[in-house]
Amino acid sequence: EAGVTQFPSHSVIEKGQTVTLRCDPISGHDNLYWYRRVMGKEIKFLLHFVKESKQDESGMPNNRFLAERTGGTYSTLKVQPAELEDSGVYFCASSQERRENSPLHFGNGTRLTVT
Amino acid sequence: AQSVTQLDSQVPVFEEAPVELRCNYSSSVSVYLFWYVQYPNQGLQLLLKYLSGSTLVKGINGFEAEFNKSQTSFHLRKPSVHISDTAEYFCAVSDLKAAGNKLTFGGGTRVLVKP
Repeated sequence: EAGVTQFPSHSVIEKGQTVTLRCDPISGHDNLYWYRRVMGKEIKFLLHFVKESKQDESGMPNNRFLAERTGGTYSTLKVQPAELEDSGVYFCASSQERRENSPLHFGNGTRLTVT
Repeated sequence: AQSVTQLDSQVPVFEEAPVELRCNYSSSVSVYLFWYVQYPNQGLQLLLKYLSGSTLVKGINGFEAEFNKSQTSFHLRKPSVHISDTAEYFCAVSDLKAAGNKLTFGGGTRVLVKP
């Protein structure tokens, strides 16, 4: 089966511009997560979708970040307008169930650089 | 709330030597514990996890970890490393009462295996 796919792999944008990251989870995985690793820091949880519904968005840093999962398939994470501190690696992950026994599959990440 | 501390940011080790990566956590509730590995240019992969039962957990690629509740530690070990073990390793926890896949990560430990 295909793994979790993230696009683009790298993005370099200027401060104030808009960027949209995309994540395609493993087919049939209802649970989709976004995580972020800012340079030199820990990987931090952003939000969790169950199908098309936001289950937990407690990690979203501010209202410049908008995540969607229309139709419960792929997800997008839009940053508008981007700031320098948004630079980092954005990971998407999916799992079949919410339970801890359901493995979390990560994508390769999108490296975002805001200049 | 939980926090995870990985005491070593980088660990250089010679091929065929043993390695131990240290992880301590802090939590007001019981947690599940995980180790993930990120090889260069790849996403995170689950190495092993502790949910309950035996405190010694065996994972993939010859790694094992031991849960020590009194010391709130979950150190990762491998008796003999290979060049291919060069990667970054992440310790993570999740709250038993919350969704099992909302993870709190440590800062990561880069392992560089030298010939």
